[in-house]
Amino acid sequence: GQQLNQSPQSMFIQEGEDVSMNCTSSSIFNTWLWYKQDPGEGPVLLIALYKAGELTSNGRLTAQFGITRKDSFLNISASIPSDVGIYFCAGSNYGGSQGNLIFGKGTKLSVKP
Amino acid sequence: SAVISQKPSRDICQRGTSLTIQCQVDSQVTMMFWYRQQPGQSLTLIATANQGSEATYESGFVIDKFPISRPNLTFSTLTVSNMSPEDSSIYLCSVEAGGETQYFGPGTRLLVL
Repeated sequence: GQQLNQSPQSMFIQEGEDVSMNCTSSSIFNTWLWYKQDPGEGPVLLIALYKAGELTSNGRLTAQFGITRKDSFLNISASIPSDVGIYFCAGSNYGGSQGNLIFGKGTKLSVKP
Repeated sequence: SAVISQKPSRDICQRGTSLTIQCQVDSQVTMMFWYRQQPGQSLTLIATANQGSEATYESGFVIDKFPISRPNLTFSTLTVSNMSPEDSSIYLCSVEAGGETQYFGPGTRLLVL
């Protein structure tokens, strides 16, 4: 089945630093989504990408849909303590099981003030 | 985006019992989904629940263990039956909001003793 490889697994950075994480797959996806999950909460959608090559920003967050449709990255600029959480990438391919989002294993971000 | 609520937010249950989790959305949606997130893990789709039809289960999940109801376009329930400690997880509902994007509820944290 389809799998997503998300890296890094965890990051421990200083406040103000930029962060980069990515997801790769051996399969093509039609949509890439990036979520953040805080402790005790459900995942919150950060950015949705629908076209290969698409580059989208949401405040300090920027994400890109890889041109091959097999990868995506998320950058966070000038990190702040509230960026702490687990970031998940998710891919969707309605050519398979409709509505089935395939999730990466997550990147746990810790920010040191 | 949709506003999604889940009940209960958390529960501690004895093995062999069953728990029904409710998911309520503030708008009518066609597709609702149920996910499981085991401790420290990513999200795995259990089933897709469309109003007026039987739920579609993913590989490894069966209706007898996870019966689902979808009586209308704003509500769904997931029952975790005959629970064992291995069922201890976060159970999340989500809705499709167009463009293969999904929004998640806050989750139900289940501990089975």
